[in-house]
Amino acid sequence: AAGVIQSPRHLIKEKRETATLKCYPIPRHDTVYWYQQGPGQDPQFLISFYEKMQSDKGSIPDRFSAQQFSDYHSELNMSSLELGDSALYFCASSLVPPSGKYNEQFFGPGTRLTVL
Amino acid sequence: TQLLEQSPQFLSIQEGENLTVYCNSSSVFSSLQWYRQEPGEGPVLLVTVVTGGEVKKLKRLTFQFGDARKDSSLHITAAQPGDTGLYLCAGASGGSYIPTFGRGTSLIVHP
Repeated sequence: AAGVIQSPRHLIKEKRETATLKCYPIPRHDTVYWYQQGPGQDPQFLISFYEKMQSDKGSIPDRFSAQQFSDYHSELNMSSLELGDSALYFCASSLVPPSGKYNEQFFGPGTRLTVL
Repeated sequence: TQLLEQSPQFLSIQEGENLTVYCNSSSVFSSLQWYRQEPGEGPVLLVTVVTGGEVKKLKRLTFQFGDARKDSSLHITAAQPGDTGLYLCAGASGGSYIPTFGRGTSLIVHP
């Protein structure tokens, strides 16, 4: 079965540079979520999109932005990178269930961002 | 303050032993997921529990949701080295689709 695809898998950037992470959800999934996971930490929710519209916002810094495109893939744009942005960035996708049913998120393999 | 408390934080056992991991909260969850994550990889969904008192089995893994839907446990029977990984619980509540994750239990099973 097709899974969530993320690219690149590894990215090395200098401080103050920009980075763009890409996410391709499972086919027919309509919702994409972005998470940041620091070393030894649990995934922290950044932002989500449902049918190309921002649906929820978590602890995403103002330096970051994201969008979902017509083909449902999503991109996370990160500017003015800081050392503290070094982390694993995960994308997850789901199909919003009918009212009253539960939601299941499926995660991609992640992008490891290292800021030097 | 972590909404979901997982215990133990670390667990190192020998192959063949049994173990239980706990996920506790003061909040009521509409659903709760368990994930297993290997280093440098994304969390892999193991199970979703939604009904208070529900028990689900996945081979040697048994998942239980508390009657009040505030806590859950994962029991592994006869652990194998392939079970090594970070086990995360994640719960959604209040009509939100965004789950809150616990800090995880890091399990190492020695051959």
